[in-house]
Amino acid sequence: NAGVTQTPKFQVLKTGQSMTLQCAQDMNHNSMYWYRQDPGMGLRLIYYSASEGTTDKGEVPNGYNVSRLNKREFSLRLESAAPSQTSVYFCASSEAFRGYEQYFGPGTRLTVT
Amino acid sequence: AQSVTQLDSHVSVSEGTPVLLRCNYSSSYSPSLFWYVQHPNKGLQLLLKYTSAATLVKGINGFEAEFKKSETSFHLTKPSAHMSDAAEYFCVVSDGNKLVFGAGTILRVKS
Repeated sequence: NAGVTQTPKFQVLKTGQSMTLQCAQDMNHNSMYWYRQDPGMGLRLIYYSASEGTTDKGEVPNGYNVSRLNKREFSLRLESAAPSQTSVYFCASSEAFRGYEQYFGPGTRLTVT
Repeated sequence: AQSVTQLDSHVSVSEGTPVLLRCNYSSSYSPSLFWYVQHPNKGLQLLLKYTSAATLVKGINGFEAEFKKSETSFHLTKPSAHMSDAAEYFCVVSDGNKLVFGAGTILRVKS
């Protein structure tokens, strides 16, 4: 039981390049989330998927898109990376959407130059 | 809207002494509250959660937190710090739809 896995662990992009961050969970959870973590700001929600087939914007969605590929997988895409997107990205999942604890992946450290 | 304030950005204690990490929240109704821990270069791990049962919540690794509605607080404590407790701690409130994170408290444990 791997929990929540993320790939890649590290990535360096040039401004304007695109990439997709992958996330998968094996806990049969219904809800999945993408966060970014910046120093002194805690975690901020980018997008979430309350259930398979649905996605919604979080607090900081600009510059990102997501796809809930199936119940297990939830990807985050940067279409045209900017230096302001340099951050650590965490994927999380929870059994259901309201009031449940979330389980986090190990993170992807992204640098945009 | 829900919000969380962690009152200390850094806390330093000696090994074997008590730990207190302070958290205040605002919520328009009975919240669910969580504490997460993040060790360096790792993901977040759930320490404990409050979901309107007992006001004193026990978590992993000897941590506990007390929900005080009158003070809108959910402080995290541990009687005796261990070197392995050095990490960043996040107080989190659920607004019914999503989690709202505090800015984090970095705990340093001195030998």
